[in-house]
Amino acid sequence: QQQVKQSPQSLIVQKGGISIINCAYENTAFDYFPWYQQFPGKGPALLIAIRPDVSEKKEGRFTISFNKSAKQFSLHIMDSQPGDSATYFCAASGNDYKLSFGAGTTVTVRA
Amino acid sequence: DAMVIQNPRYQVTQFGKPVTLSCSQTLNHNVMYWYQQKSSQAPKLLFHYYDKDFNNEADTPDNFQSRRPNTSFCFLDIRSPGLGDAAMYLCATSRALRIYSNQPQHFGDGTRLSIL
Repeated sequence: QQQVKQSPQSLIVQKGGISIINCAYENTAFDYFPWYQQFPGKGPALLIAIRPDVSEKKEGRFTISFNKSAKQFSLHIMDSQPGDSATYFCAASGNDYKLSFGAGTTVTVRA
Repeated sequence: DAMVIQNPRYQVTQFGKPVTLSCSQTLNHNVMYWYQQKSSQAPKLLFHYYDKDFNNEADTPDNFQSRRPNTSFCFLDIRSPGLGDAAMYLCATSRALRIYSNQPQHFGDGTRLSIL
């Protein structure tokens, strides 16, 4: 049973557009929510992360929005570039060693 | 500079022939993890070491074993690979068991395993 549900499975956006990926969770013990970016043939790389005491975190063109009451969080990629074309995984962790991953979203940015 | 290094990047083995994948880290992290990632899927945790303490996930097949001879190195042994074991195998490290903002997991670039 997947503890973190991620949507959409894939999306296509024009260069300069906004990509939005949504995740939802049920386990209220989760207290750390990272996003990983993975290029083909590479391992996942930590992109940005948020804690539930913060509603928004921005790093460059990447923003996480967090809604604790709805148990949802999302990644916004502003001014999307072809180099952002990758698979993005949301994840969550509670008071243990495990990362619960979403199923992943493949983002394609068209020039 | 790569901090979690996996070798080889590509490995081909025959059905049933044992294979070993290796991982080394320069981060001096206490925890090392092995994940299996199949095409278009999320990584799936197989097991982890905290220092020398080994923890197997409940649904990891017995066919998969691991060794950690020292802090820097960890090996994944697949005793009798089946066609269903073809996947990317990812090694990751973290400073502590508790995953948090100041001690995230760092992944290597994986070994792509093919079974003939």
